[in-house]
Amino acid sequence: DSGVTQTPKHLITATGQRVTLRCSPRSGDLSVYWYQQSLDQGLQFLIQYYNGEERAKGNILERFSAQQFPDLHSELNLSSLELGDSALYFCASSVGTSGRDGELFFGEGSRLTVL
Amino acid sequence: SQKIEQNSEALNIQEGKTATLTCNYTNYSPAYLQWYRQDPGRGPVFLLLIRENEKEKRKERLKVTFDTTLKQSLFHITASQPADSATYLCALDEWTGNQFYFGTGTSLTVIP
Repeated sequence: DSGVTQTPKHLITATGQRVTLRCSPRSGDLSVYWYQQSLDQGLQFLIQYYNGEERAKGNILERFSAQQFPDLHSELNLSSLELGDSALYFCASSVGTSGRDGELFFGEGSRLTVL
Repeated sequence: SQKIEQNSEALNIQEGKTATLTCNYTNYSPAYLQWYRQDPGRGPVFLLLIRENEKEKRKERLKVTFDTTLKQSLFHITASQPADSATYLCALDEWTGNQFYFGTGTSLTVIP
């Protein structure tokens, strides 16, 4: 158990809909990272927050947005969903501002299926 | 553009042998590199971190090397066991240390 909690574990929805994925980081970790993993692709970095502020942005679509709340949990909002958005979405947390400070702890992921 | 490449083919080895996985990168100058293990449908789990000033790092049956001239890291599992079967990912940061990128991973199967 990494200590990172993601909900929901599974989500099935239709194209055009909007979903919210939630992540609670490990106790004491200030950074939250979001990654997307499709079958034919590796882990794609989406966005990182540190102590409530956006710190780095990767290949995140404009239809996606995220935020980190004062209690440090984070939410990833996916809107106008397309079939290609079907993937495993992972949240990870770390103590410091980047992975160079140490390891990332990953949650078990939220599997999104868009029909 | 930045690129991280790992063995594209799945790796099958016999139990007891040493598995060697490769991570090559271009257009990065990372200060460190990390290796993770991922089982199907699970989140990656951290294994080892090696910094640019470290040539080699060991942890139990695992050994990682980091050659910044070749822009390559090698990950070795000695005395491999079927339980080592998984996908192994290398990861590194871009120069500002903000964006943390993963390679596509190498699938390892250890045959009993």
